[in-house]
Amino acid sequence: AQSVTQLDSHVSVSEGTPVLLRCNYSSSYSPSLFWYVQHPNKGLQLLLKYTSAATLVKGINGFEAEFKKSETSFHLTKPSAHMSDAAEYFCVVSLSGGYNKLIFGAGTRLAVHP
Amino acid sequence: GAVVSQHPSRVICKSGTSVKIECRSLDFQATTMFWYRQFPKQSLMLMATSNEGSKATYEQGVEKDKFLINHASLTLSTLTVTSAHPEDSSFYICSARDPGGSTEAFFGQGTRLTVV
Repeated sequence: AQSVTQLDSHVSVSEGTPVLLRCNYSSSYSPSLFWYVQHPNKGLQLLLKYTSAATLVKGINGFEAEFKKSETSFHLTKPSAHMSDAAEYFCVVSLSGGYNKLIFGAGTRLAVHP
Repeated sequence: GAVVSQHPSRVICKSGTSVKIECRSLDFQATTMFWYRQFPKQSLMLMATSNEGSKATYEQGVEKDKFLINHASLTLSTLTVTSAHPEDSSFYICSARDPGGSTEAFFGQGTRLTVV
């Protein structure tokens, strides 16, 4: 069965410092993995996706994630945090390898301080 | 990217009444849409998969008579919360995929439902 574990419910960083949001997955098949961002009372926006191509995936707004099969991880990183990055981030695995059914992690709330 | 529009963004209703939430794909046809529910400070939970022209598929534990889903056209799916109760208060989000384009799933803006 597929599942997603986001290891931190809250992460707090200073503006200009690196961001690391951790995600581990469990999947019986080669997974498709995604990171979504949600700003307060808004819908979700796709940051990036991994679909069995390059293991280092670059997304929007300077975010990137590396798929590590040996560690079953898909951590999200950004070299330098911006105040506008403060939001909720969800790591997501696809059940069917596409987008038909998505399993969401519990989410990580990122706070960015001046 | 494709746009999914959800309406209303916020609704307050009295216990016992029904509320309808609309999810529209604005520039593509979506044969399948998905409805999620999000409780405060929690993740999204898939409630049901809405299929155009056929019955929706509900996840385990979701009452189909409570949450009525209609997907009458390729651009519109509706979720009706019937006989709403305070415990139904939540954030409801729909999503759809553009089968003719990117495999990305596009999400609506969400609907904050408060039952008083």
